[in-house]
Amino acid sequence: DVKVTQSSRYLVKRTGEKVFLECVQDMDHENMFWYRQDPGLGLRLIYFSYDVKMKEKGDIPEGYSVSREKKERFSLILESASTNQTSMYLCASSFIGGTNTGELFFGEGSRLTVL
Amino acid sequence: GDSVTQMEGPVTLSEEAFLTINCTYTATGYPSLFWYVQYPGEGLQLLLKATKADDKGSNKGFEATYRKETTSFHLEKGSVQVSDSAVYFCALTPGTYKYIFGTGTRLKVLA
Repeated sequence: DVKVTQSSRYLVKRTGEKVFLECVQDMDHENMFWYRQDPGLGLRLIYFSYDVKMKEKGDIPEGYSVSREKKERFSLILESASTNQTSMYLCASSFIGGTNTGELFFGEGSRLTVL
Repeated sequence: GDSVTQMEGPVTLSEEAFLTINCTYTATGYPSLFWYVQYPGEGLQLLLKATKADDKGSNKGFEATYRKETTSFHLEKGSVQVSDSAVYFCALTPGTYKYIFGTGTRLKVLA
């Protein structure tokens, strides 16, 4: 089974702290994604990466950065956390090619609270 | 641009009732269509998928048919259980890095 693992299920941070959210996938997928999920807003794409060291902004990149130094790992960084970044963060990976239809595989989510 | 519209929730049903959650989409070309399910406190899991017109995806008693003529991908289940209580997301991808999700429909099944 494809496994996407997010390092922290629950985090509580203070305003202004630097926050790292880690995500690792074990299926050699090229594509990795960070989404934010908020009630009534569904899933919003923050950043995605289609290869090592490559990244593209999604719909809401402000206040976030990402790092992909190895194929299996994709990190989301909040340089200076703010209360409006309190949310559920979802990492996902995908591969398009061959018989694969490109579905996303999600981690269990990281619920971040910024006080 | 591409979009997905699914019915507003919450949907509340009694156990063994018939379920339909409507999903319609707007897209150019021939996107792949998905239903994802999210149980409380968890991430999204793929429930079923369809990649071309008239394909029927099915899993765990749920079904959805890719209807190009009506641009729809409605989710159905003949007899829901309490354990089906979750949030259901309809989604599409045109085959690139782009994924479009609906806003989700919360289902609550009462015993």
